[in-house]
Amino acid sequence: DSGVTQTPKHLITATGQRVTLRCSPRSGDLSVYWYQQSLDQGLQFLIQYYNGEERAKGNILERFSAQQFPDLHSELNLSSLELGDSALYFCASSVWDSNNEQFFGPGTRLTVL
Amino acid sequence: GENVEQHPSTLSVQEGDSAVIKCTYSDSASNYFPWYKQELGKRPQLIIDIRSNVGEKKDQRIAVTLNKTAKHFSLHITETQPEDSAVYFCAASSKTSYDKVIFGPGTSLSVIP
Repeated sequence: DSGVTQTPKHLITATGQRVTLRCSPRSGDLSVYWYQQSLDQGLQFLIQYYNGEERAKGNILERFSAQQFPDLHSELNLSSLELGDSALYFCASSVWDSNNEQFFGPGTRLTVL
Repeated sequence: GENVEQHPSTLSVQEGDSAVIKCTYSDSASNYFPWYKQELGKRPQLIIDIRSNVGEKKDQRIAVTLNKTAKHFSLHITETQPEDSAVYFCAASSKTSYDKVIFGPGTSLSVIP
């Protein structure tokens, strides 16, 4: 157990819908990262937050947005869902910035039908 | 943009043999190079990392080497065991004008008993 929690574990929804994925980082970690992993694919970096502020952006679609709250938990919002958005979404956290070990959560499996 | 290449994409070795995975990166400012292991259906976990001020680091059967001039680094696993079978991701991170870690596409390692 890495100490990072993600909810829900599984999510099944329809095209065009909107969903919210939630992540709680390890106690004391200030950075939160979001990744998308499609079937048999690598880890695609989406976005990073540090102590409530956006720090870095990857290949995140405009239909996706995220935020980090004062208690440091983070939410990833996915809207106008398409079939291709079906993937495993990982959240990770680190003590400071990206030059430190990232601890990954168990992931949220999103299926868009 | 920033890029991390990783080879080979798949690797099969006999139990007891060594395995080597190689990565190259494009951003010369990169200074932190972690390796993550992802077993089937599980979250990625850090197995070893190296910073730019050292050329090699070992942890039991695992070692990583870094050549900053050539901008490549490698993972070496000796005396492989079936439980080493997993997908391995290399990554590179820097703290210049941006702050994010770029992952390689992954290497699927199979250790044949």
